[in-house]
Amino acid sequence: DQQVKQNSPSLSVQEGRISILNCDYTNSMFDYFLWYKKYPAEGPTFLISISSIKDKNEDGRFTVFLNKSAKHLSLHIVPSQPGDSAVYFCAASARAGGTSYGKLTFGQGTILTVHP
Amino acid sequence: AAGVIQSPRHLIKEKRETATLKCYPIPRHDTVYWYQQGPGQDPQFLISFYEKMQSDKGSIPDRFSAQQFSDYHSELNMSSLELGDSALYFCASSSYTSTQYFGPGTRLTVL
Repeated sequence: DQQVKQNSPSLSVQEGRISILNCDYTNSMFDYFLWYKKYPAEGPTFLISISSIKDKNEDGRFTVFLNKSAKHLSLHIVPSQPGDSAVYFCAASARAGGTSYGKLTFGQGTILTVHP
Repeated sequence: AAGVIQSPRHLIKEKRETATLKCYPIPRHDTVYWYQQGPGQDPQFLISFYEKMQSDKGSIPDRFSAQQFSDYHSELNMSSLELGDSALYFCASSSYTSTQYFGPGTRLTVL
């Protein structure tokens, strides 16, 4: 039962253009969402997150949008750079109790390739 | 800035052997999470500890055990290794309300 889904296994974009990575989730208890970037043989690197009380969060070239009614989030990278080429994982968490966010449930990942 | 440290980075074992993976969290982080990533798969949650107590448990085999020590480092002990245990094992740490930051991982190969 894949509770977090990234339906696009790969995405190819030209340098300078926008990259849009999508993620859908099924568990209504998820209230915190994150995007991680991963290179082969390295650990996931945190990019940006969003709480369910927001619908948008920006950090430099990265913006995450959350549509709770559609249980959908997306990561926009503008402008895309060749160094952005990596696997991008969407992850979700539900509060484990108190204010702790608890374990992460990951999507399958999307391979982003940015061409010069 | 200090990051999560994992050791060893690579480990090769025979079937039925035992392996111990270590994780040193970011200073002042009190929560540690372990994840397993098989080939071509997304990371799967195994177990977590908060303030040295187990806080959550995922799909961790009974052959695996883990603990968090007084200095907050954590160890994942894996016994009776099987070929299917070959994977990347990631540790992540967080403070109680913060984002999880991941270590570089340990690549375990079981022959």
